[in-house]
Amino acid sequence: EAEVAQSPRYKITEKSQAVAFWCDPISGHATLYWYRQILGQGPELLVQFQDESVVDDSQLPKDRFSAERLKGVDSTLKIQPAELGDSAMYLCASSPGGGGNTGELFFGEGSRLTVL
Amino acid sequence: DAKTTQPTSMDCAEGRAANLPCNHSTISGNEYVYWYRQIHSQGPQYIIHGLKNNETNEMASLIITEDRKSSTLILPHATLRDTAVYYCIVRVGNAGNMLTFGGGTRLMVKP
Repeated sequence: EAEVAQSPRYKITEKSQAVAFWCDPISGHATLYWYRQILGQGPELLVQFQDESVVDDSQLPKDRFSAERLKGVDSTLKIQPAELGDSAMYLCASSPGGGGNTGELFFGEGSRLTVL
Repeated sequence: DAKTTQPTSMDCAEGRAANLPCNHSTISGNEYVYWYRQIHSQGPQYIIHGLKNNETNEMASLIITEDRKSSTLILPHATLRDTAVYYCIVRVGNAGNMLTFGGGTRLMVKP
């Protein structure tokens, strides 16, 4: 069964360092999402792509976070510089997009970031 | 998207049915009810969704009240592996609409 791939699975970094996460969605899925999940809370959307275009990045802290999906396939989320409060699970999800689908999102296993 | 209200936590005995309630009194006519679950240290997993009618699949059943203001997710024979956080989400079912997660219900299945 096709899965959303994410790497790295775990990342420990010091504050002020740069960190990057990679996501490869299920093949053919046009819509890609990055969520952040702080321990004990539900995931919150950071950015949504439709193909290579950003649909919603209203909750992305743009002073330090950036996201791209250059060819409309895989995506990278970057944080520079990392702060202590960025410690969280970063989840990537994809969905087929287009009319008539069920609206189901498929999530990867996430990348857990610890900032020291 | 309409907001949902779920109990913070619930316990269930292994082998018994787990009934997880969700209130969504402000749901609109074109909004679906979705259920996802998240097992510890994994990404959320889709369980089931519905609009008006009750739905059943291999994982669970979804019962939606006639006025659509509340719903119940039923795991008919809970196992220890069903211990997870369960999220009830309402959203328009169009393609590309993101999910807005609340706090969910932490279900603990006990032997």
